[in-house]
Amino acid sequence: AQRVTQPEKLLSVFKGAPVELKCNYSYSGSPELFWYVQYSRQRLQLLLRHISRESIKGFTADLNKGETSFHLKKPFAQEEDSAMYYCASRTDKLIFGTGTRLQVFP
Amino acid sequence: GAGVSQSPRYKVAKRGQDVALRCDPISGHVSLFWYQQALGQGPEFLTYFQNEAQLDKSGLPSDRFFAERPEGSVSTLKIQRTQQEDSAVYLCASSATGWSFGYTFGSGTRLTVV
Repeated sequence: AQRVTQPEKLLSVFKGAPVELKCNYSYSGSPELFWYVQYSRQRLQLLLRHISRESIKGFTADLNKGETSFHLKKPFAQEEDSAMYYCASRTDKLIFGTGTRLQVFP
Repeated sequence: GAGVSQSPRYKVAKRGQDVALRCDPISGHVSLFWYQQALGQGPEFLTYFQNEAQLDKSGLPSDRFFAERPEGSVSTLKIQRTQQEDSAVYLCASSATGWSFGYTFGSGTRLTVV
């Protein structure tokens, strides 16, 4: 069965520090991987997709099939990055991890 | 409409009461999904429609949960005889094609069963 694991419930950093939000998935095939973000009082929205190989708001995520990981990274965190981040995997349905709250302090 | 609209935003129900939650997807979006998000958890898949056909209902937690989309647009999630463990945010999402693109989520309905 599909499973997405985000081991950290909370990640706190200072502005300008690098950020890495961890995500591991368990599926032997080739799922699509996504990162979704939810800012305070806003709806859940797509941040990036692994197949697009894009950088959004300075965030990137690399799919590592050997480690079944899809960690989200940003070299220099900003205060406006503070939000809940959800990793998600899709084969026949979109499955979410439990989320990591990122707090960026000034 | 411009986005996925859900109503009501908040619902307080007494235990045992029936509730109906509405989702109005983006016009023309074929696929519609319902998720349940308990406090401190990620969204959990409930069910999926393609047009009016309910293709997957494997995530519905019990037979008290029922979803429909009779005309392939608006969908209703109904919960009968609500229990305290049903308290959660219910999210609706729609997508232009089956599974091939990112979903657009609504703001959710926060259900509190007292």
